[in-house]
Amino acid sequence: DAGVTQSPTHLIKTRGQHVTLRCSPISGHKSVSWYQQVLGQGPQFIFQYYEKEERGRGNFPDRFSARQFPNYSSELNVNALLLGDSALYLCASSLTHPILRSYNEQFFGPGTRLTVL
Amino acid sequence: DQQVKQNSPSLSVQEGRISILNCDYTNSMFDYFLWYKKYPAEGPTFLISISSIKDKNEDGRFTVFLNKSAKHLSLHIVPSQPGDSAVYFCAASDHGSGNTGKLIFGQGTTLQVKP
Repeated sequence: DAGVTQSPTHLIKTRGQHVTLRCSPISGHKSVSWYQQVLGQGPQFIFQYYEKEERGRGNFPDRFSARQFPNYSSELNVNALLLGDSALYLCASSLTHPILRSYNEQFFGPGTRLTVL
Repeated sequence: DQQVKQNSPSLSVQEGRISILNCDYTNSMFDYFLWYKKYPAEGPTFLISISSIKDKNEDGRFTVFLNKSAKHLSLHIVPSQPGDSAVYFCAASDHGSGNTGKLIFGQGTTLQVKP
């Protein structure tokens, strides 16, 4: 079975531009979460989507937005890019239901390396 | 506010010996803890987890210990192998927040296992 896939693998943009990152979850997983990992730090939570609805949001500005499609794939959009947005963007999928008090491990994709010049 | 901390940026261990990676947390509402391993150019890979109602969970060479009173957990790898060389992240989750999709990660510890 295919794991979580992300595209593109690498991306170079300039300040002020817009970027769209894509993620396909593991088949059967309905939850997708996005994380940002800057060099030397652990991943930081950006969004969680479940059944096409936003279920959680981290401490990121409104320039960051996301959506989930009927096939459970997801896009992360970042507007007005800043140099500080340069990072590895990770997508994770899980069977997690955001309300039921049960937990399922999150499975991460390889990430998209974004460089903002 | 760093709610999950891994205070050792790096650890070097001889092959066959025990590796002990440590993690501290501040939020007493965390009720689930996980360890992930990350190789360069790959996403984090789930290793092992533990619920806050337990104090130990073992899976093969990997054992996680949880000390709730000290808000401390550790990952033991025995015996260590060169293929274990990677960055290890501790992560925590709070189900009570209503968002089980949010993991709070530590900064990571780079483990090097020398042959």
